[in-house]
Amino acid sequence: EPEVTQTPSHQVTQMGQEVILRCVPISNHLYFYWYRQILGQKVEFLVSFYNNEISEKSEIFDDQFSVERPDGSNFTLKIRSTKLEDSAMYFCASSEILEPTEAFFGQGTRLTVV
Amino acid sequence: AQSVTQLGSHVSVSEGALVLLRCNYSSSVPPYLFWYVQYPNQGLQLLLKYTTGATLVKGINGFEAEFKKSETSFHLTKPSAHMSDAAEYFCAVSIGTASKLTFGTGTRLQVTL
Repeated sequence: EPEVTQTPSHQVTQMGQEVILRCVPISNHLYFYWYRQILGQKVEFLVSFYNNEISEKSEIFDDQFSVERPDGSNFTLKIRSTKLEDSAMYFCASSEILEPTEAFFGQGTRLTVV
Repeated sequence: AQSVTQLGSHVSVSEGALVLLRCNYSSSVPPYLFWYVQYPNQGLQLLLKYTTGATLVKGINGFEAEFKKSETSFHLTKPSAHMSDAAEYFCAVSIGTASKLTFGTGTRLQVTL
């Protein structure tokens, strides 16, 4: 069964460093999403992406964040200068059609900023 | 704006017992409601969803949920718990199937012998 793959599963980075979280969506999917979950809090929407541009973003997704689809298979989330409060589980998701509610999620990357 | 509240961050049941995971929502428009499950080291998997029509919806693995507008609830149930049901369960709401999901904080289900 096709699945969304995220790497790494756990990343530790120092405050102020740039970090790139990687995702390989399901191959025929066209819509891509990032969500995050700070420990003990809700899973929160960050951004959706289609046709090489952001289609929607939340207030959390400020100038420190960027997304990119550098090639035909990867979808990345970059945090330019990490802060302690960026520590969270980050979920990538993809969907074939414009229905985030039909999205398939990856297993998540746990980001720890120290 | 919509929101979701899941009562109980941890629920423990015996194998064979009823599973009841609670979810209440807030939405200014008719909501679409979802339950997702996350097994250890895996992604979020859709269990079931309510969009329109029948308020009792059945999902995978014997789970079902009932949309009760008067109670603004969408509780998840399963008549008989199995050890393999141990996981984290997330309730979510959207204001349309094309809208982003708003999740609750999750409930960790433990199943004991």
